[in-house]
Amino acid sequence: AQTVTQSQPEMSVQEAETVTLSCTYDTSESNYYLFWYKQPPSRQMILVIRQEAYKQQNATENRFSVNFQKAAKSFSLKISDSQLGDTAMYFCAFMTRGSGAGSYQLTFGKGTKLSVIP
Amino acid sequence: DGGITQSPKYLFRKEGQNVTLSCEQNLNHDAMYWYRQDPGQGLRLIYYSQIVNDFQKGDIAEGYSVSREKKESFPLTVTSAQKNPTAFYLCASSTNRGSENTIYFGEGSWLTVV
Repeated sequence: AQTVTQSQPEMSVQEAETVTLSCTYDTSESNYYLFWYKQPPSRQMILVIRQEAYKQQNATENRFSVNFQKAAKSFSLKISDSQLGDTAMYFCAFMTRGSGAGSYQLTFGKGTKLSVIP
Repeated sequence: DGGITQSPKYLFRKEGQNVTLSCEQNLNHDAMYWYRQDPGQGLRLIYYSQIVNDFQKGDIAEGYSVSREKKESFPLTVTSAQKNPTAFYLCASSTNRGSENTIYFGEGSWLTVV
């Protein structure tokens, strides 16, 4: 079974500081995609960052970056210069091929609740 | 604007009633998905569809049904057989085309049994 583990149910960070959210996963697939989604109180799921497993270079999106360690099956998210608007649930997920031709499935972790403190 | 539209945002269901949640996308995505989220929990897959007129059960399909008659639309019916339907429901879609593989979500629908 494919699983995603987020070991930190809750975290807090001071505004303008840096925080790292951890994520590990387990899959036998060699080709897959990794994601971090943000879910603010509005509940909408917002894509934060995306990483393709075959790419060694870590993805970055403005203040968000990842540390992708394929051998260790680790995919942590670093948020720099934290802002109040970063307060949200953060979900780690990976996408692999499904059972049908051309199909893909997304597996989610249980999330980390991040609070940015003024 | 391109995106995924879910309606209604809030829905109340009486015991024994079937209700249908709408999901429409204009992103020209091939695949569509329905997820359920309970308070403080992650997302669980209900159904997904890769092409028109075809769909597969996810992890918690019991008590739900779907149809995919058009590429743009993937409605979810919560039947009376679903014993605990109160939850937040998210519809999503994806391209499933190599380097463009990403899943995008609608704004969600709250269903409450009264």
